[in-house]
Amino acid sequence: AQKITQTQPGMFVQEKEAVTLDCTYDTSDQSYGLFWYKQPSSGEMIFLIYQGSYDEQNATEGRYSLNFQKARKSANLVISASQLGDSAMYFCAMRERQTGANNLFFGTGTRLTVIP
Amino acid sequence: GAVVSQHPSWVICKSGTSVKIECRSLDFQATTMFWYRQFPKQSLMLMATSNEGSKATYEQGVEKDKFLINHASLTLSTLTVTSAHPEDSSFYICTPADSFRNTEAFFGQGTRLTVV
Repeated sequence: AQKITQTQPGMFVQEKEAVTLDCTYDTSDQSYGLFWYKQPSSGEMIFLIYQGSYDEQNATEGRYSLNFQKARKSANLVISASQLGDSAMYFCAMRERQTGANNLFFGTGTRLTVIP
Repeated sequence: GAVVSQHPSWVICKSGTSVKIECRSLDFQATTMFWYRQFPKQSLMLMATSNEGSKATYEQGVEKDKFLINHASLTLSTLTVTSAHPEDSSFYICTPADSFRNTEAFFGQGTRLTVV
């Protein structure tokens, strides 16, 4: 089974509007972390936001917020007030803390295009 | 945040030659380094995990004799693609495990390899 599922291959959003990028995960660990990364055409992986499985509050970082619904195993990224520079690939990832592997599992990504 | 330096950022090589990619952690000791590979329009997939002073572990389907990993110090891990072929053309990116601090995980800039 896929550990991370991103069902939206591509999304379009009007500049200054908000957009939600979906992410669901699968794990039997009780302790895990969820990450979102932005990958522009240059390829670098830019860390955006983190949510821990025990965090009761949804994470926020500037225009980024994470809608964490633990029971549904979803960790959607919300980008508010979209900017042209937000156009990029976005990856959701998970690290399972109990299994000991310590690496990140990535979803297939969502390509976001911001329209002027 | 943690600083990870990866070189080169891009390389073009002839089929049959070898290419070395370096990944340095600049401000902390990296006992473990994860190497990921990303084919065009695909997600990041873990290739191998290197541990300082010991042999690397490879994911299923990754040829250990083709992708040589050396992790001789706490600040440097190298990936050598030996006898490269066009199908090895990909984006290779590293991340130190120690950079998986509670809420963040940092990557090198990535290396885009093109084998002609």
